[in-house]
Amino acid sequence: EPEVTQTPSHQVTQMGQEVILRCVPISNHLYFYWYRQILGQKVEFLVSFYNNEISEKSEIFDDQFSVERPDGSNFTLKIRSTKLEDSAMYFCASSIGTFNQPQHFGDGTRLSIL
Amino acid sequence: GQNIDQPTEMTATEGAIVQINCTYQTSGFNGLFWYQQHAGEAPTFLSYNVLDGLEEKGRFSSFLSRSKGYSYLLLKELQMKDSASYLCAVTPDSGAGSYQLTFGKGTKLSVIP
Repeated sequence: EPEVTQTPSHQVTQMGQEVILRCVPISNHLYFYWYRQILGQKVEFLVSFYNNEISEKSEIFDDQFSVERPDGSNFTLKIRSTKLEDSAMYFCASSIGTFNQPQHFGDGTRLSIL
Repeated sequence: GQNIDQPTEMTATEGAIVQINCTYQTSGFNGLFWYQQHAGEAPTFLSYNVLDGLEEKGRFSSFLSRSKGYSYLLLKELQMKDSASYLCAVTPDSGAGSYQLTFGKGTKLSVIP
């Protein structure tokens, strides 16, 4: 069964450094998402991406965040200058589209900011 | 705004039936999803409801009442591997053509022998 893959599984970075989290969505999916989950808290929406542009973003997704689909398969999340509070599990998800299609999640990248 | 409530923790016995409730208040509604999340892992899709009523899928069933803003997930014949967090998530109607999920805090289910 096709799956969403994310790399790396764990990223440790010094505060203030830039990080890029990578995702390969399921190949025939059209909608892409990033979510984060701070340890012990709920899963929170960051951004959705469709047709090579952001379709919606949350308040969390400020100017320090950006997303890109640099080629036909990868979908990346960049955090320009990391803060301690960015430490979380970051999940990429994709769906075929429309509201009744489930989103399939990758295994996540655990980001630890020191 | 969006508000999704579910119990924090539940405990049930192996072989039993458990019902996990979820109430929601959202601006617009395009459906409700249930996901299972084992500790340290990704959420995995269990069920989707957009119309009132019961959807059954093997040992798992999900119910929705749109007028009451209420859903429940029913797990039958509990197994030890069902110990996990169960996440209720709603797709609001943002009008932007995006179908992002708004999650509740999750219900941590512990299945005991």
